Amino acid sequence: QLRLHESGSGLVKPSETLSLTCAVSGASLTSNDYHWAWIRQSPVRGLEWVASISYNGGSSYNPSLKSRVSISLDTSESQLSLTSVTAADTAIYYCARGRRYYDWLHQPHYYFDSWGQGTLVTVSS
Amino acid sequence: ETVLTQSPGTLSVSPGERATLSCRASQYVSNNFAWYQQKPGQAPRLVIYAASTRAAGVPARFSGSGSGTEFTLTISSLQSEDSAVYYCQQYNNWPFNFGGGTKVEIK
Repeated sequence: QLRLHESGSGLVKPSETLSLTCAVSGASLTSNDYHWAWIRQSPVRGLEWVASISYNGGSSYNPSLKSRVSISLDTSESQLSLTSVTAADTAIYYCARGRRYYDWLHQPHYYFDSWGQGTLVTVSS
Repeated sequence: ETVLTQSPGTLSVSPGERATLSCRASQYVSNNFAWYQQKPGQAPRLVIYAASTRAAGVPARFSGSGSGTEFTLTISSLQSEDSAVYYCQQYNNWPFNFGGGTKVEIK
C-alpha cells in the first residue's frame, strides 16, 4: 500500500531556505507510470501546485516560484527546496503522486491519486 | 495560465437530495480534469479524474461530466459523510491549477 510522509523544517525565518522531504513506501519512484509532486495550501492562496518530477529526473515548476524552487528525487524520497522564503510561503505542504494515463491523442497526463498527510511550514522570525 | 472558477462557493443540501457543483476553466483543458474532496484536517482525496472516471473506492453516487471548459460534479443522493470542500483541478496545461473550492454543507 502506498504511503507518503512529509517531514522537514516546520519553522523557517524570512529569507532562509525551506527544505522538505517526502518518504515514499509501497511504490517505486523509478516507474514511468508516475511522477512526484509538491502542492501547498494556504487560506490566502488555496491549493497551489509547486513542482513535479518524473522518474528520469525531468522537472516542472510553477512559474510563480520557478526562480526559488528546486525538486529532486532519491531512491525512496522526493525533496523540495524553496529559497528566500517570506510569510507568503507559510502553508501546509503536501507531497502527492501523479498517476499517468493517455488521452485520446495518446498524450500522457498525470492526476494526483495519492497525497501525504501534509506538513505545516510557518515562515516567521 | 488556466484559471478555474468554481460555483457556488457554498452549497447547502438536505440528506438524500442532489448536489451539483460547477467549475469553469478559462482555457480549453479537454477532459484532463479532476475533482478532489477535502475534509477538515485531512489532505485532499481524489474523487474523479479524466473528467468522469470515479477513483478507486469512491461511491457510485459521485459522478463527473463535462469537457473543454465546463465541468460538473454531481452527488446524486447526499450523505452526511459527503460534507466537505470540493476542489476542481486541471492537468492539461502547465501550471496545473486548482479552483477555489465549493463547500458542501448538510442542511
